[in-house]
Amino acid sequence: DAGVIQSPRHEVTEMGQEVTLRCKPISGHNSLFWYRQTMMRGLELLIYFNNNVPIDDSGMPEDRFSAKMPNASFSTLKIQPSEPRDSAVYFCASSFRGYGYTFGSGTRLTVV
Amino acid sequence: DQQVKQNSPSLSVQEGRISILNCDYTNSMFDYFLWYKKYPAEGPTFLISISSIKDKNEDGRFTVFLNKSAKHLSLHIVPSQPGDSAVYFCAASAFSGGGADGLTFGKGTHLIIQP
Repeated sequence: DAGVIQSPRHEVTEMGQEVTLRCKPISGHNSLFWYRQTMMRGLELLIYFNNNVPIDDSGMPEDRFSAKMPNASFSTLKIQPSEPRDSAVYFCASSFRGYGYTFGSGTRLTVV
Repeated sequence: DQQVKQNSPSLSVQEGRISILNCDYTNSMFDYFLWYKKYPAEGPTFLISISSIKDKNEDGRFTVFLNKSAKHLSLHIVPSQPGDSAVYFCAASAFSGGGADGLTFGKGTHLIIQP
């Protein structure tokens, strides 16, 4: 199994631009999570999906952030417009019925 | 308000000795706890977990202890090896209806194993 796959690994963009982060969960996993890691706040849960349905997006910082899961094998996290304070490492993780949480390698986002 | 706390940002231990990493939580709904290990430029990797129905779980050199009354858990690594040098995250979850509701993480403890 290839594990959770995130792309891109690194993203540098200018303030105001749209950024799309991508995630492919482990096949067979029915839950998908987006986390953000910063020095100040550590690892924060942004949103999670069960069976492709968004369950809790209370961690999404602002309306500029949106996430979709059109099918069981793909999810996106979009920031539009991006701001310098969005700079962080974004992790995607998946699990099966709450077990086997597995993280991707993350996307390091820098907004200049 | 931080629901999962790791009060030691860093810990230095001599190779071969025991490493003890601590974690406290405040939410009494948490009933499943995990430890993750993270190397730079990689995602967190699952290490060991424990359900609230147990007070100890062991896997090789790693043992997790849970004290529910104190809302405290600890990870013991014996003996510590140089490859154990990493950031360790404590995480907690409260399952609802058999589904997954995400993990709440502590801020991590950077473990440094001295040769």
